[in-house]
Amino acid sequence: QVQLVESGGGVVQSGGSLRLSCAASGFTFSGHGMHWVRQAPGKGLEWVAFIGYDGTNKYHADSVRGRFTISRDNSKNTLYLQMNSLRGEDTAVYYCAKTLGGGNPTTDCWGQGTLVTVSS
Amino acid sequence: EIVLTQSPATLSLSPGERAALSCRASQSVSSYLAWYQQKPGQAPRLLIYDASTRATGIPAKFSGSGSGTDFTLTISSLEPEDFAVYYCQHCSSWPSLTFGGGTKVELK
Repeated sequence: QVQLVESGGGVVQSGGSLRLSCAASGFTFSGHGMHWVRQAPGKGLEWVAFIGYDGTNKYHADSVRGRFTISRDNSKNTLYLQMNSLRGEDTAVYYCAKTLGGGNPTTDCWGQGTLVTVSS
Repeated sequence: EIVLTQSPATLSLSPGERAALSCRASQSVSSYLAWYQQKPGQAPRLLIYDASTRATGIPAKFSGSGSGTDFTLTISSLEPEDFAVYYCQHCSSWPSLTFGGGTKVELK
């Protein structure tokens, strides 16, 4: 079955960097666009970034553009999120999510999430 | 940018009752709307996409309706495991995802 496992979260000081990973299995990873979505403690869902199936097309939310970079390695079935210049408002659980496919960006499977805490 | 407004913020119901959750878009989104369920400490789970298509493995008690700006998620008869937070979602500017603020369905 489809499985997405995030890792790389932790506590980091304001201004620091982290790299999140999402290991995918159970589906043809190279055939699907992928998202990162975050959720601050007690808050709703916020889209962070999307990458196309082959890594050519990348999109980032205004709130993270220039600081975060989404990437993927299809040979390793792994999605990444490089996060630089972290701020307190970046504190959240970060989820990777698989798209339905066929050009539909809606997500149909999410990982369990990894918590990023930015301390001042 | 399209804004999704969910109402009510909290819905207090008893098991066996019918739940109707609303999602209103600030402008037409055609039928490109999805619904997710999220339980505490868990990731969201896709229930409905394209306004009314149930995702794989989702039971028939969940149904979606609407088009344009007004959408409804209906849970026909609430079971204990259905008490959770529900989010609507649209792709307002491909491929970015826009989420509503959520409706919490709680035990009355």
